[in-house]
Amino acid sequence: SQTIHQWPATLVQPVGSPLSLECTVEGTSNPNLYWYRQAAGRGLQLLFYSVGIGQISSEVPQNLSASRPQDRQFILSSKKLLLSDSGFYLCAWSAANYGYTFGSGTRLTVV
Amino acid sequence: AQTVTQSQPEMSVQEAETVTLSCTYDTSENNYYLFWYKQPPSRQMILVIRQEAYKQQNATENRFSVNFQKAAKSFSLKISDSQLGDTAMYFCAFYSNYQLIWGAGTKLIIKP
Repeated sequence: SQTIHQWPATLVQPVGSPLSLECTVEGTSNPNLYWYRQAAGRGLQLLFYSVGIGQISSEVPQNLSASRPQDRQFILSSKKLLLSDSGFYLCAWSAANYGYTFGSGTRLTVV
Repeated sequence: AQTVTQSQPEMSVQEAETVTLSCTYDTSENNYYLFWYKQPPSRQMILVIRQEAYKQQNATENRFSVNFQKAAKSFSLKISDSQLGDTAMYFCAFYSNYQLIWGAGTKLIIKP
């Protein structure tokens, strides 16, 4: 069966520090991968999606970047965090139109 | 542009009652997919139900069912015999071009 792992679960980072959140998928190949951010009490905002290795599409201009070094690995990064980067980050994968499966999320607090 | 609207920011019902969450969307496409997701306090995002636009029959999953009105672009979720564990944020979503377009969510509270 397919599983998705996302870590860390929580992270507190100072302003200006780098960020690396990792997401890996098991049990499937060539998944579409996504990074979302969710502000408290709000809906999901798509940050990046990837349909294959090295293919990244960005939905909103921001301080973050994404990379897909392997088929089932998706990384969200920043060189210098801003206070506004705080939020709940969710990784997800999908195969065609069968819905998305989400990771357990990372709560990022930038202080 | 495609949009998804959930007009009920918050709802509350008594345990065992039936509740309906509304969702409307706007698109010019004919083939698409619609989803309802549940996000409990743990914040894990869980797929509740999925509807293919080319299917006229409404999707059902145990106590969860949808009323899909394609012409009206409406996709409401009905929860029967509600349980305390149904307390969560519920998001309606529209799938198009590798992306899910999300509604703002409805906070559902089930009262004992």
